[in-house]
Amino acid sequence: DAMVIQNPRYQVTQFGKPVTLSCSQTLNHNVMYWYQQKSSQAPKLLFHYYDKDFNNEADTPDNFQSRRPNTSFCFLDIRSPGLGDAAMYLCATSSTRQGTGELFFGEGSRLTVL
Amino acid sequence: RKEVEQDPGPFNVPEGATVAFNCTYSNSASQSFFWYRQDCRKEPKLLMSVYSSGNEDGRFTAQLNRASQYISLLIRDSKLSDSATYLCVVALDNYGQNFVFGPGTRLSVLP
Repeated sequence: DAMVIQNPRYQVTQFGKPVTLSCSQTLNHNVMYWYQQKSSQAPKLLFHYYDKDFNNEADTPDNFQSRRPNTSFCFLDIRSPGLGDAAMYLCATSSTRQGTGELFFGEGSRLTVL
Repeated sequence: RKEVEQDPGPFNVPEGATVAFNCTYSNSASQSFFWYRQDCRKEPKLLMSVYSSGNEDGRFTAQLNRASQYISLLIRDSKLSDSATYLCVVALDNYGQNFVFGPGTRLSVLP
């Protein structure tokens, strides 16, 4: 059973039209991450939540926002998508309290911007 | 210098071949090390955690050399299904927050 679930799997939007991607997890992990991955590149960290504490990467554009209303859910909001934001968006979780600390990824949300 | 570097690839090998990937990291304080596998247009999936003593899982062997700051992955008896991109991931602490990804090495196993 999937433990990190992302919706939608595929999202098509128009230039400038806001998009929200969601992520839910059943692992009860305290850390949740959003990565952006473009073709043939490694995942790039946008931000992460350590419990309720939000940590933004210095080079993440203001166009990207996130919310974590509870332990299980996390959202990525792209306020005004540009053509350069077309990518796979990966949600991941990890735990600082159990297991071996590795990242668990969802299947990703692939964003197309027209 | 990038924090995590990998063999540039791609590696094209015949079925049954043995192939080795190398990864180097710059931060000597790095704590945890992982190899992830990523199929085309899919999410990364954990292949192996890498321990100081080295570890083996079937055809896959991972080694860590802290003194030289490198990690290796050996795949024996390659299968067509091993074709993927292999990502070296380093955690800078044990608090589960600071993961650094290498650029990945692409492997194609040919019939």
